[in-house]
Amino acid sequence: VIWMTQSPSLLSASTGDRVTISCRMSQGISSYLAWYQQKPGKAPELLIYAASTLQSGVPSRFSGSGSGTDFTLTISCLQSEDFATYYCQQYYSFPWTFGQGTKVEIK
Amino acid sequence: EVQLVESGGVVVQPGGSLRLSCAASGFTFDDYTMHWVRQAPGKGLEWVSLISWDGGSTYYADSVKGRFTISRDNSKNSLYLQMNSLRTEDTALYYCAKGRSGSNPFSAMDVWGKGTTVTVSS
Repeated sequence: VIWMTQSPSLLSASTGDRVTISCRMSQGISSYLAWYQQKPGKAPELLIYAASTLQSGVPSRFSGSGSGTDFTLTISCLQSEDFATYYCQQYYSFPWTFGQGTKVEIK
Repeated sequence: EVQLVESGGVVVQPGGSLRLSCAASGFTFDDYTMHWVRQAPGKGLEWVSLISWDGGSTYYADSVKGRFTISRDNSKNSLYLQMNSLRTEDTALYYCAKGRSGSNPFSAMDVWGKGTTVTVSS
């Protein structure tokens, strides 16, 4: 099983801030990593796949980087609609696993 | 519009069985890998199972292996999850999700349903 450490678990930020969320793997996964956004009471939505490819329709203020064991999601200029919980997920080997989640809240 | 609609979630006693369904529309269902993902109340996401486009390959989380069975009926554009020997820790919102890259199972999940709630309680 590939273990994932996502940090921080809670991030307090203001509109306009640049925020970064980290995801570290227990073993290398090349670029088989996705990031999802989930708002309360809603299903998750895919933001980024293959570590750095933006899903169609996702604003360009979202970006992903990394390969191997260390990955980052960056929101360049936080907007009000970005306050949500974010999850990383590896699809390199079974069982697929998710990070524990990062809740981005209003400071 | 691409859409996934789950159904079948109910309250069931520990040890009981249940079958969830997911109706797909708006895309060529039999071209795509499909998944079940669950979320316990107030908790994070947990991947449950994957089935290949033709149903020939299936994979499971260790927590459900031997108890849950994923299947699909491409003629009905439907995905299923048969859940046996249910435990209280199986209580969750169950999502159906579509693989992004067609028949390639090693891809992210790009479309999700709204979920169906399973409660395991006596």
